[in-house]
Amino acid sequence: QQQVKQSPQSLIVQKGGISIINCAYENTAFDYFPWYQQFPGKGPALLIAIRPDVSEKKEGRFTISFNKSAKQFSLHIMDSQPGDSATYFCAAKTQGGSEKLVFGKGTKLTVNP
Amino acid sequence: KAGVTQTPRYLIKTRGQQVTLSCSPISGHRSVSWYQQTPGQGLQFLFEYFSETQRNKGNFPGRFSGRQFSNSRSEMNVSTLELGDSALYLCASSLRLAVNTGELFFGEGSRLTVL
Repeated sequence: QQQVKQSPQSLIVQKGGISIINCAYENTAFDYFPWYQQFPGKGPALLIAIRPDVSEKKEGRFTISFNKSAKQFSLHIMDSQPGDSATYFCAAKTQGGSEKLVFGKGTKLTVNP
Repeated sequence: KAGVTQTPRYLIKTRGQQVTLSCSPISGHRSVSWYQQTPGQGLQFLFEYFSETQRNKGNFPGRFSGRQFSNSRSEMNVSTLELGDSALYLCASSLRLAVNTGELFFGEGSRLTVL
């Protein structure tokens, strides 16, 4: 079964620090890797995404690093703020006959003031 | 522009009953996907509809079904409810086939509790 493994499950960071969340996948048939942010009581919202032909993508304080050979990708949040406290999900889109998003199990980030 | 609207937001059912959840996508979006979210399993894909046709299906039993109407609104139904069906059911819409871009717009979900 196609899987995306996400770590850590939870993360506590001080304000101004760097938050790093890692994901690994097994299936090489994934062709798109989005990250979603979810606040309590809300649905997930797309944060940033990357395609496997790019090794890094930056949008403001958020950066995705992608290592195709290692089948790993990570989210870096620079200068973490209390407002970044949320659950983050990595995901991968499968290509081929049964296309769908496969999500990691999420990382609960807490940024202390 | 209104976001994805899901109703009801909360509901409580007992084992053996059935439930129908509704989703109104963002205006102009023709693709609707459904996900089940639980603490243990995270977000799991149920199915996706586009132009009233089921395009993709996840690994859920046949008790889980859905449909899409001509106005792109979608419903999902769970029959013969089990305790393990307690979850947050999320609907997501997209301008086109959802998984072409991964750009899904999620609603706030319907939280189902099965007693």
